[in-house]
Amino acid sequence: GQQLNQSPQSMFIQEGEDVSMNCTSSSIFNTWLWYKQDPGEGPVLLIALYKAGELTSNGRLTAQFGITRKDSFLNISASIPSDVGIYFCAGSSSGSARQLTFGSGTQLTVLP
Amino acid sequence: EAQVTQNPRYLITVTGKKLTVTCSQNMNHEYMSWYRQDPGLGLRQIYYSMNVEVTDKGDVPEGYKVSRKEKRNFPLILESPSPNQTSLYFCASTYLSSGGAGDTQYFGPGTRLTVL
Repeated sequence: GQQLNQSPQSMFIQEGEDVSMNCTSSSIFNTWLWYKQDPGEGPVLLIALYKAGELTSNGRLTAQFGITRKDSFLNISASIPSDVGIYFCAGSSSGSARQLTFGSGTQLTVLP
Repeated sequence: EAQVTQNPRYLITVTGKKLTVTCSQNMNHEYMSWYRQDPGLGLRQIYYSMNVEVTDKGDVPEGYKVSRKEKRNFPLILESPSPNQTSLYFCASTYLSSGGAGDTQYFGPGTRLTVL
């Protein structure tokens, strides 16, 4: 099946720093989604991208759909303690949120 | 409040003892799916359902069954659980917009299953 490589696997940053994580795929995706998972909960959608080259923001979060359609990145600016969690990218070859392939996740720790 | 509920949240069982994890959504969504989450592997789709009585295999369907007799419920059945099915399971319900852009997926809180 399709595979997504997500990096880094984990990050330890100081409060206030910016964070960047990315996902790459060996095949083309038509949809890229970014999720956050808090401990003991299911993933929650942060940003959805449906068009190559698209750059979308949600508060301090910005995500881009790579123009090759094989990659995406997520930036978090001015991190705060509640940003702690696991961030997942997900892609779909359909133009929708069906049949998603997930990355392995980036565990983010924000140090005070 | 829009919700996806799963039961039980935690389950410890033994090899071969049939079990069912229930999933219910109150949003009248047509599309529902089951994922398992394992360390270092992210979430992998087990089965999905496009509508009542319409189900199909995801990426890792072996050892699992599902049914969709009503729109709101999508139970996951393990007929003969084995230790390699020890995992964290998530049910998801998806609002499908026309065209796809605008789809929104809601995940349940998860079921942690241990098979001894």
